[in-house]
Amino acid sequence: NAGVTQTPKFQVLKTGQSMTLQCAQDMNHNSMYWYRQDPGMGLRLIYYSASEGTTDKGEVPNGYNVSRLNKREFSLRLESAAPSQTSVYFCASSEGGISGNTIYFGEGSWLTVV
Amino acid sequence: QKEVEQNSGPLSVPEGAIASLNCTYSDRVSQSFFWYRQYSGKSPELIMSIYSNGDKEDGRFTAQLNKASQYVSLLIRDSQPSDSATYLCAVGEWYTGNQFYFGTGTSLTVIP
Repeated sequence: NAGVTQTPKFQVLKTGQSMTLQCAQDMNHNSMYWYRQDPGMGLRLIYYSASEGTTDKGEVPNGYNVSRLNKREFSLRLESAAPSQTSVYFCASSEGGISGNTIYFGEGSWLTVV
Repeated sequence: QKEVEQNSGPLSVPEGAIASLNCTYSDRVSQSFFWYRQYSGKSPELIMSIYSNGDKEDGRFTAQLNKASQYVSLLIRDSQPSDSATYLCAVGEWYTGNQFYFGTGTSLTVIP
């Protein structure tokens, strides 16, 4: 059981370039999330999708866009990368609802913008 | 903005001792509480979840929840060097679109 899979694992971008981080989960979860983690800042929510067909901004959405392609897939796009977006990005998923809201993480994507 | 507060540490304990990690949260209506362990360069992995007041034990780990005090803790008994990691406290709220809020983590070092 793969769980949450995200690609790529490592990426170096030049300022102004665009890229998409891909995420897929095989647990039939309703909710999916993108977080970024920076030293001393903890996990900060960028965007989330509570269910298929919906997306909402989190704490730090500026400079990002997302697409919930279907129930399994949730992608994060950087349209014009900036050095401030250098970070580790985690995709996560959760079943949703009061009885199933544990969140599970992918392995992370290390992004450096130069 | 909902807040989850943890002592950032670092916390150092000798091997075999009890490590105590603490967390407070700001939203009184939060419903679910979690402890995650994160090794350097790795993703967070779930250790414990707790939903009701009181204690929940799983092996060497015990989570304690006190909703009246908005406080959740994690005790690690017989600490091992392999427990050295950052521990993240998280709070879940399903009614706000199934969101999760994380503390910044407590760094634990178990000294052999």
